Amino acid sequence: QQQVKQSPQSLIVQKGGISIINCAYENTAFDYFPWYQQFPGKGPALLIAIRPDVSEKKEGRFTISFNKSAKQFSLHIMDSQPGDSATYFCAASNAGKSTFGDGTTLTVKP
Amino acid sequence: ETGVTQSPTHLIKTRGQQVTLRCSSQSGHNTVSWYQQALGQGPQFIFQYYREEENGRGNFPPRFSGLQFPNYSSELNVNALELDDSALYLCASSTSGSYYEQYFGPGTRLTVT
Repeated sequence: QQQVKQSPQSLIVQKGGISIINCAYENTAFDYFPWYQQFPGKGPALLIAIRPDVSEKKEGRFTISFNKSAKQFSLHIMDSQPGDSATYFCAASNAGKSTFGDGTTLTVKP
Repeated sequence: ETGVTQSPTHLIKTRGQQVTLRCSSQSGHNTVSWYQQALGQGPQFIFQYYREEENGRGNFPPRFSGLQFPNYSSELNVNALELDDSALYLCASSTSGSYYEQYFGPGTRLTVT
């Protein structure tokens, strides 16, 4: 059962552009929504996370927008850079047990 | 501060064999979670350990088992290996609380032939 659906599967953005990745979840018991960045051969690295009582969180170039009623959340990467090229995973957690989306491969072209 | 470490980095096993993977959690973290990441997919939750007790389990059969030690390090054991067990196995450590920030290790790449 796919409890967290992530889109798009892949994304190509020009340097300086905005990258947007979307996720939707089903289980209303989830209480923590992190985003991870993963480079080839590495484990996922926590990028930014949000709690369901907040609608937006910004850290540097990364922003999470959260819509509790729609059960959707998204990651915005502003001023995308070639070094941002990686696979991004959204996740939804309950008591520390995370359910991940299938990932988005982001390519930022110079 | 030492991050999460895992050993070995790579492992090749034959179908039917048993394997043990190891994880050292980040300093100060008392909770360890294990995930299986198949190629091209997101990590899937196997189980979590807190204070040496299993604290939640995903949809994995009993041949997947684990341990957590007093120093919070952990082991993942898989018996009767199947070809579909080939994956990257990730360990993540965190501190107890309602909103966990999980820090992942680099993973162990297991290949079952």
